[in-house]
Amino acid sequence: NAGVTQTPKFQVLKTGQSMTLQCAQDMNHNSMYWYRQDPGMGLRLIYYSASEGTTDKGEVPNGYNVSRLNKREFSLRLESAAPSQTSVYFCASSLAMAQGGETQYFGPGTRLLVL
Amino acid sequence: QKEVEQNSGPLSVPEGAIASLNCTYSDRGSQSFFWYRQYSGKSPELIMFIYSNGDKEDGRFTAQLNKASQYVSLLIRDSQPSDSATYLCAVMKGGTSYGKLTFGQGTILTVHP
Repeated sequence: NAGVTQTPKFQVLKTGQSMTLQCAQDMNHNSMYWYRQDPGMGLRLIYYSASEGTTDKGEVPNGYNVSRLNKREFSLRLESAAPSQTSVYFCASSLAMAQGGETQYFGPGTRLLVL
Repeated sequence: QKEVEQNSGPLSVPEGAIASLNCTYSDRGSQSFFWYRQYSGKSPELIMFIYSNGDKEDGRFTAQLNKASQYVSLLIRDSQPSDSATYLCAVMKGGTSYGKLTFGQGTILTVHP
């Protein structure tokens, strides 16, 4: 049981290049999320998927697209990378709690540098 | 006003002391509250969640929630150097925002021997 996995761990891009960040979970969770984390700003939600086949925008969606390929996989695509997208990207999946609410589990992160 | 605000750090406490981390939120419709710990270069890991007013204890950690005052806190008793990390407060609203978390900016805690 690997939990939430992300690839790649680290990537350097030039401005204008595109790339896809991959995320997979083996916990049979319905919901998956993409966050970015910048110094002093906590985590900000980019996109999320409440279930297979659905996606919705979060707080900072501009410049990103997502695909919920199946229940396990949720990818994040940067079509034309910009230096402002230099960040650490975390994928998460969530499990509903018996008491209500959902607990999110995070992947190890992808460190992206855009030059 | 930010949706979720944490007390500015960094916070430094001696080993064995109580560390107190505070968080306020702006949306009265918020339902569930989470504390995550994040070591440098690692991903956030859940410490505790709370959804009812009052205290919730788990080992050396106590979460306190006061919905009337819109704050949630985390107390760490008998602090250890291994507790040194960034602590993130997260809030989940209800309704159409169900499941989505809004995070505070984090408070860096250092426990010195």
